Amino acid sequence: ETGVTQTPRHLVMGMTNKKSLKCEQHLGHNAMYWYKQSAKKPLELMFVYNFKEQTENNSVPSRFSPECPNSSHLFLHLHTLQPEDSALYLCASSQTSGGPDTQYFGPGTRLTVL
Amino acid sequence: EDKVVQSPLSLVVHEGDTVTLNCSYEVTNFRSLLWYKQEKKAPTFLFMLTSSGIEKKSGRLSSILDKKELFSILNITATQTGDSAVYLCAGGGATNKLIFGTGTLLAVQP
Repeated sequence: ETGVTQTPRHLVMGMTNKKSLKCEQHLGHNAMYWYKQSAKKPLELMFVYNFKEQTENNSVPSRFSPECPNSSHLFLHLHTLQPEDSALYLCASSQTSGGPDTQYFGPGTRLTVL
Repeated sequence: EDKVVQSPLSLVVHEGDTVTLNCSYEVTNFRSLLWYKQEKKAPTFLFMLTSSGIEKKSGRLSSILDKKELFSILNITATQTGDSAVYLCAGGGATNKLIFGTGTLLAVQP
């Protein structure tokens, strides 16, 4: 499945590093999402972008900074992270119709913060 | 607060068995319930249910929604080892935000 791609697939960073996660969707969708998946927890929605505008910030700490330059690309900029931020970060996209849509997920970035 | 609860948390069966996974939800202005399968990384879409009592079917998998009792079930018949995965349930309301459950880990043994 190459509809939604994410890079890098794995990332190890120290608490003082700055890095970025990239997501690209090739499905012509107009909504993109960032989720965090930790062991034994539900998928946690972090951010939603509809038509490049951020419409949801689920009380995410400011050390996570999203950017959506166009409907096909989504970034998550990371700085001064904590070890508890280690998780699988999933990107998704959908064709928004104003209600719940089928979201298509990328393979995720496995992040480890040392 | 909106929430989705899945049960059981994990399940071990043998090939050929039939399994039923449960999902209950409390979602404001509920519109749809979605099922995903997550094998290694990316959750892959299985079903979206919006109407009560209408079964959706894809091969050995089927699902139904009960909007009165606020739950859905996912059935898998004649299970195979390739069905081993985490099955995620998500509820959607008036916006495109989905509320996910913790998932059910299914292990199918040969």
